Order: sequence, then structure tokens, then C-alpha cells
Amino acid sequence: QITLKESGPTLVKPTQTLTLTCTFSGFSLSTGGVGVGWARQPPGKALEWLALIYWDDDKRYSPSLKARLTITKDTSKNQVVLTMTNMDPVDTATFFCAQFFGGYYPFWGQGTLVTLSS
Amino acid sequence: EIVMTQSPATLSVSPGERATLSCRASQSVSRNLAWYQQKPGQAPRLLIYGASTRATGIPARFSGSGSGTEFTLTISSLQSEDFAVYYCQQYKNWPPVTFGQGTKLEIK
Repeated sequence: QITLKESGPTLVKPTQTLTLTCTFSGFSLSTGGVGVGWARQPPGKALEWLALIYWDDDKRYSPSLKARLTITKDTSKNQVVLTMTNMDPVDTATFFCAQFFGGYYPFWGQGTLVTLSS
Repeated sequence: EIVMTQSPATLSVSPGERATLSCRASQSVSRNLAWYQQKPGQAPRLLIYGASTRATGIPARFSGSGSGTEFTLTISSLQSEDFAVYYCQQYKNWPPVTFGQGTKLEIK
């Protein structure tokens, strides 16, 4: 059974750096073709893809957010970490991590709501 | 960046009837298209990939079709649990992976 779960702060101040952890089970990030990605969804709005890390440590970022994002993995802990710098109130959203395979996302975490407030 | 446009924004259909949702890509994505269902407060759920292949455990009433720039998700006989928001996603040219803005399927 594949599961993913996001963890991190629920409240962040403007200009701070957000660090989110995705802890997963049921698959390995050392398996060829597998990746873990992040997406976000502002309240009432559509999904926005953020970043992806592959089994071989190849990383891909949304061009519009690339300067603010860093994605890393700890294969031994089955974790993927996303950092987003210089947070702004418009970054208020639910952040999801998801398993990547073949271009799409078969399994998703439940999501974590991150709110920006001073 | 490939822009995905879904129509209509909201679709009102009665239970038991057929629902047809559309997704258009700004350039060809071949058949590199997925559909997701999202209910309030939940994560997206993969329904279809490769434009027409149902994901594991997805009922046969869900079907996908199309290629290139025009795609359709059809739900043949709506059940109460099918009322949700549906997103299409292209994975032909990325980054970035791009999603449509969603179609809300509501009870008529």
C-alpha cells in the first residue's frame, strides 16, 4: 500500500522560508522511473505544479518559481523535502506531495494547508 | 508552457445521466494526458492516464478519449459520489507539468 504524508508548519510569516517534508511508504525512491513531486492549491483555486525529484536525484522545477524552490530527498528515510523561500501571502495554499510515475501522479498525500500571516 | 483549458467551468447534471467534460491543450500533447477527480478537502485522485487508460480501481463508467489538443472525460451514468471537481493534466512537455483550471460537476 502506497501512502504519502506532508508535514510542516501551518502558519508562516511573510519573507520566511517554508520547509515541508513528504514522508512516504510502499515504494522506494531508488527504483528506476519513480519520483516524488509537489503541487499546491490556493483556497478555491486550481492545482499548480511546483517541483519533482527523480530516483536518480534529477530535479525539475516550475520555471516561474524555480528561484525560490529547492527539492531534496533522503532515500534511507523515505522522505522528500521542499523548501520555498521568501514566502508571501499569495503563497497561502494547500501543499500536496505525490508519487510520480510516467508523467502523472498515481498517489497523493492528504495535503497540508500553509497560511501566510504576519 | 502548455496551457490547458477546461470547459465548462461548471456542469450541472442529474444522477444517472451522462456527463461530458472537455480539456483543450494550447499545443499537441499527443496522448500524454491525465484526468483527476478532487472532492472537497481531499487530495486529487488519478482517474485516467495516457488519455484513455483507467487507473487501478477506477469504475468502468469513467472513460477518456482524444489526442493532440482535444480531450474528453465521460462519466456514463452519474453516481452521487461522482460530483466533484475534475482536472486534466498534460505531461508531454514539461517542466512545468500543467493542469487545467478544473470543471466542477454539480448535481442538477
